[in-house]
Amino acid sequence: NAGVMQNPRHLVRRRGQEARLRCSPMKGHSHVYWYRQLPEEGLKFMVYLQKENIIDESGMPKERFSAEFPKEGPSILRIQQVVRGDSAAYFCASSPTREGTEAFFGQGTRLTVV
Amino acid sequence: GDSVTQMEGPVTLSEEAFLTINCTYTATGYPSLFWYVQYPGEGLQLLLKATKADDKGSNKGFEATYRKETTSFHLEKGSVQVSDSAVYFCALSGGSQGNLIFGKGTKLSVKP
Repeated sequence: NAGVMQNPRHLVRRRGQEARLRCSPMKGHSHVYWYRQLPEEGLKFMVYLQKENIIDESGMPKERFSAEFPKEGPSILRIQQVVRGDSAAYFCASSPTREGTEAFFGQGTRLTVV
Repeated sequence: GDSVTQMEGPVTLSEEAFLTINCTYTATGYPSLFWYVQYPGEGLQLLLKATKADDKGSNKGFEATYRKETTSFHLEKGSVQVSDSAVYFCALSGGSQGNLIFGKGTKLSVKP
């Protein structure tokens, strides 16, 4: 029973390029969450998705960032025209239900913008 | 909205010392409470949880009790080891928001 799988583990992009981060939730989990962690800081909630729906995107920057969780395939966090300030670790988590259950985390994608 | 506040770090202890990391929360409804641990370069792992008032979560010698009257979920361990060095996050779920809400994390360093 594989855990939450994120890829790539490390991603280097030049300023202005696009970054695509993938997350495959645990089997049977239909709720996906994305978090961003800056060096030496805590986790900042970005977006919460269910299959084909964005439930809460209150933590997403208004521009350049988007997320999806299609009916088939992994959840994708997309960052367009990356800037140096986007350099961070991005973690995905999944849970089987919404209320009161723990989420299981992937190993994260460490994005470096050069 | 819902929030979690945990003590600022870093916390540095000697091996076999007693550990307490304070965590308090603000939430509507009846949230579940969690402690997660993050080892260097890795993702978060669930350490323990409690789903209702007075529940005690425990794992690997760590404990935390869900105290509704003080809205707290303090993490304790009687005798820490060097291998416990990590960042510890307090979190809640099931309040007014659907997602997990995290505290800022507390970095623990245990010296031999």
